[in-house]
Amino acid sequence: KAGVTQTPRYLIKTRGQQVTLSCSPISGHRSVSWYQQTPGQGLQFLFEYFSETQRNKGNFPGRFSGRQFSNSRSEMNVSTLELGDSALYLCASSLDGTGGNTIYFGEGSWLTVV
Amino acid sequence: EDQVTQSPEALRLQEGESSSLNCSYTVSGLRGLFWYRQDPGKGPEFLFTLYSAGEEKEKERLKATLTKKESFLHITAPKPEDSATYLCAVGSSRFNKFYFGSGTKLNVKP
Repeated sequence: KAGVTQTPRYLIKTRGQQVTLSCSPISGHRSVSWYQQTPGQGLQFLFEYFSETQRNKGNFPGRFSGRQFSNSRSEMNVSTLELGDSALYLCASSLDGTGGNTIYFGEGSWLTVV
Repeated sequence: EDQVTQSPEALRLQEGESSSLNCSYTVSGLRGLFWYRQDPGKGPEFLFTLYSAGEEKEKERLKATLTKKESFLHITAPKPEDSATYLCAVGSSRFNKFYFGSGTKLNVKP
């Protein structure tokens, strides 16, 4: 059974540009959530999607957005990149996103903003 | 305030020296408690899910236990390959949110 797949794995962007990251959840999983991980801040929740609807949102500026497609695949977009956006972006999927179902993570997308 | 606290932040062990990592939580409406292992530069790898106080799960040298306010990850006779950061998360029925601890970085020396 394939795990959570994230693309690209590594990317370098210039300040002011925008970036789109992609996530394919485990087959059958309908909830996809996104996290930002930095050495100093740990795992920070960005947002969670279920059946193409954003159900939960963390405390990030509007430059961070996402969406989910009918096949449960998800994308997140960061516009007007800042140096502080450099981080590991993790996608996680679960059956329905309720607190009792395990969430499984992808390998992450390493974003470096220069 | 709902939060998850892991201790210690870092732990250095000699190979074969057993120890425990702690995850304490003040999250209402616990639905599940999850343990993950994360290697540098990689996504967290799922280890265990615990649902109720008194529950225990084992996998190789790892054993996770749960009480009403905390969970322990016991590592028996660790090996260098057990070196990683171990993350704890709590899933809540309130707003279906997950709360993550900041992790314990384990270093096992040969």
